[in-house]
Amino acid sequence: DQQVKQNSPSLSVQEGRISILNCDYTNSMFDYFLWYKKYPAEGPTFLISISSIKDKNEDGRFTVFLNKSAKHLSLHIVPSQPGDSAVYFCAARWSGGSNYKLTFGKGTLLTVNP
Amino acid sequence: ETGVTQSPTHLIKTRGQQVTLRCSSQSGHNTVSWYQQALGQGPQFIFQYYREEENGRGNFPPRFSGLQFPNYSSELNVNALELDDSALYLCASSLTSASTDTQYFGPGTRLTVL
Repeated sequence: DQQVKQNSPSLSVQEGRISILNCDYTNSMFDYFLWYKKYPAEGPTFLISISSIKDKNEDGRFTVFLNKSAKHLSLHIVPSQPGDSAVYFCAARWSGGSNYKLTFGKGTLLTVNP
Repeated sequence: ETGVTQSPTHLIKTRGQQVTLRCSSQSGHNTVSWYQQALGQGPQFIFQYYREEENGRGNFPPRFSGLQFPNYSSELNVNALELDDSALYLCASSLTSASTDTQYFGPGTRLTVL
């Protein structure tokens, strides 16, 4: 049972354009969502997060949008740069648990072409 | 500030053997979580250690066990290795086990079981 779903295994965009990565979740207990970026041979790196009390969080070129009613979040990267090429993981957690394990999606491979 | 480190980088074992993977948490962090990332999948939570005690466990059998030491470094032990245990094993440290703390990942150990 996959509680966090990233339905697009890959995405290719041109440098300077917008990249939109999508994520859906099924567990309504999740109240905090994160995006991690992973380069080959490295561990995932935290990128940006959003609490369920918000619908938008922005950090430089990165913006995360949360639609709770649709159980959907998206990561927007504007403008996209070749260095953004990586696997992006959406993750979710429930803050009320005894530990805050992260539940990850399968990831989306973003390729930004020069 | 030293980041999360893991050893070894790569490991090859045969079915039935036992393996120990090691993780040094980021300076000042007292919580370590372990994840298994199979090929084409997102990381899956194995367990978390907080101040040398197991603080939650994912859906993994008892042959996956762990330890955390007084300096907050950690070990993941897997007994009776199976072919499906082949994966990237990631450890992540956080300042505390509080739900608001970001998890910082190491580069992982690539385990191959033949």
